[in-house]
Amino acid sequence: QKEVEQDPGPLSVPEGAIVSLNCTYSNSAFQYFMWYRQYSRKGPELLMYTYSSGNKEDGRFTAQVDKSSKYISLFIRDSQPSDSATYLCAMSGGNYQLIWGAGTKLIIKP
Amino acid sequence: EAEVAQSPRYKITEKSQAVAFWCDPISGHATLYWYRQILGQGPELLVQFQDESVVDDSQLPKDRFSAERLKGVDSTLKIQPAELGDSAMYLCASTTGTSARSDTQYFGPGTRLTVL
Repeated sequence: QKEVEQDPGPLSVPEGAIVSLNCTYSNSAFQYFMWYRQYSRKGPELLMYTYSSGNKEDGRFTAQVDKSSKYISLFIRDSQPSDSATYLCAMSGGNYQLIWGAGTKLIIKP
Repeated sequence: EAEVAQSPRYKITEKSQAVAFWCDPISGHATLYWYRQILGQGPELLVQFQDESVVDDSQLPKDRFSAERLKGVDSTLKIQPAELGDSAMYLCASTTGTSARSDTQYFGPGTRLTVL
């Protein structure tokens, strides 16, 4: 079993919908949780960063961490075609190494 | 805004040839990473540097891959000889490495390698 599990999708939704992306993990030592967005043929770019449990909001994006369930989520409100990309979760126990999910391919249909 | 630079962006080579990739991290970032990403998968760490020292190269196939960061700034990843299974995106990332709370990695655009 992988340390971080993420459904690869693809997930296809209509423009304007709320999108929910999720990852589960097994290592209770993880404290830092990140979401990266990766467009086709580009490097990942940091989207959201959360330390420990709780919610963090940035514009249309909300990241949630539930450490008791070992579950993290990224919500995208009012989704746009430009949000179409692969979303990668990553997490760390503070040793400067990230453990990555496989990425979920998201398609927003106009 | 400061960025991680990588070159070349694309490389096509034949099996058994040597290839080299270059990375220049964000200025002041002490920690540098090389990843390999196969299509449809998350990045796989190959090697991690702290300044000029290797911190972790446990996943680097050392019979054919080598990496160096001689002056603790830019870095080179080499493959010799290349094999068909090496076709992938090679990503470089950097972070300040000064605090676990700032453990966010910034990525370059990657080098897409195709081995024929």
